[in-house]
Amino acid sequence: EVQLLESGGGLVQTGGSLRLSCAASGFTFSRCAMGWVRQAPGKGLEWVSSISGSGAATFYADSMEGRLTISRDNAENKLYLQMNSLRVDDTAVYFCAKDRYSPGSHPTFDYWGQGILVTVSS
Amino acid sequence: DIRMTQSPSSLSASVGDRVTITCRASQTIITYLNWYQQKPGKAPRLLVYSASALQSGVPSRFSASGSGTDFTLTISDLQPDDFATYYCQQSYSSPSTFGHGTKVESK
Repeated sequence: EVQLLESGGGLVQTGGSLRLSCAASGFTFSRCAMGWVRQAPGKGLEWVSSISGSGAATFYADSMEGRLTISRDNAENKLYLQMNSLRVDDTAVYFCAKDRYSPGSHPTFDYWGQGILVTVSS
Repeated sequence: DIRMTQSPSSLSASVGDRVTITCRASQTIITYLNWYQQKPGKAPRLLVYSASALQSGVPSRFSASGSGTDFTLTISDLQPDDFATYYCQQSYSSPSTFGHGTKVESK
């Protein structure tokens, strides 16, 4: 059974940093790209970032590029999202998601974590 | 960025109804189009990938079609479990973008 469990969310002040983690199990982690999708309160889904199965290729949303680093540890089956210079409008539930494919360039998310709340306050 | 426009933004329907949701891309995305279902407080669920391929475990009352810029998701016999919000997503080019969602409510 595929399981994705996010951690590391919480309350942070404007300009602060957070590192989200996602522990994966139930599939061959290194063969699948992974990604992050966020959802602001009462709003729709927004793709944030993806990383290829090998970790060699990374992709970022324009709205957060320069403030994000996505990474993965294939030995530990973990995905990370380092977020810096956080703004109030980054407040959202952040979902970790498994991609059906390896490259990460055509994100298609077939399994999702339950999501973790990031609140940025001024 | 490719803009994804879903219509309607919401609809009211009854159990047994046939429901169709459309999604239009601002430029061609070939068939790099996915559909998700989301219920309140829950993670999204992949229903359809590559415009028309049903994800494993998704009931056959769901179907989807389209290519280029115009796509549809159809629920042929609406069930109580289908009341939810549906999103399309283009995965043709980065950044991947979602439609704003279509909320299917009970009439």
